[in-house]
Amino acid sequence: DIVMTQTPLSLSVTPGQPASISCKSSQSLLQSDGKTLLYWYLQKPGQPPQLLIYEVSNRFSGVPDRFSGSGSGTDFTLKISRVEAEDVGVYYCMQSIQLPFTFGPGTKVDIK
Amino acid sequence: QLQLQESGPGLVKPSETLSLTCTVSGGSISSNSYYWGWIRQPPGKGLEWIGTIFYSGSTYYNPSLKSRVTISVDTSKNQFSLKVRSVTAADTAVYYCARHVSSGWGLIDYWGQGTLVTVSS
Repeated sequence: DIVMTQTPLSLSVTPGQPASISCKSSQSLLQSDGKTLLYWYLQKPGQPPQLLIYEVSNRFSGVPDRFSGSGSGTDFTLKISRVEAEDVGVYYCMQSIQLPFTFGPGTKVDIK
Repeated sequence: QLQLQESGPGLVKPSETLSLTCTVSGGSISSNSYYWGWIRQPPGKGLEWIGTIFYSGSTYYNPSLKSRVTISVDTSKNQFSLKVRSVTAADTAVYYCARHVSSGWGLIDYWGQGTLVTVSS
């Protein structure tokens, strides 16, 4: 199985300040067609996860532009340019290049 | 607006079979554009992919669960189902049904609200 790791596991951020989460995979997520199958999800308290970013850097429909994704191969980053109160929750990275799909352990973000 | 709703018993005894159904409304399960999956989350823990099915019946399972899991689809009812046999306390979790986009399975664009299943005698 591809192991996904995330750092940090928790993050406390002042509103308006930036935040960054790292995700690393144990194998390259680059597919032969050039796509890199790395996704970012946010699980707000008491809710199912919601898709933020697909294929490393594409914002999903309705996701604010303060969220951005970057990276390649095995190293990826999710950035929030200016954290807002509604951004609290647990952020997960996920890979789908190989079955079983696997998620990172999650990064809990809260507001100072 | 697509909606997915999980249903089934919230309490299952050890060694018995956990059975859940996901009802899809606002869209057809019989689409070449989507796959349908189950993901679970033990209380206070992370996400685990269980398996995924195409409307034709093709299935893909997590090897860690494959020997105990069956996912099936009923296109006439616009539903898909999950069975987990021989459950233990480790199967206690919130179970989510979800829709994967065919062009990129990791793109899960709709989730059910989730249902908590507790395994206890």
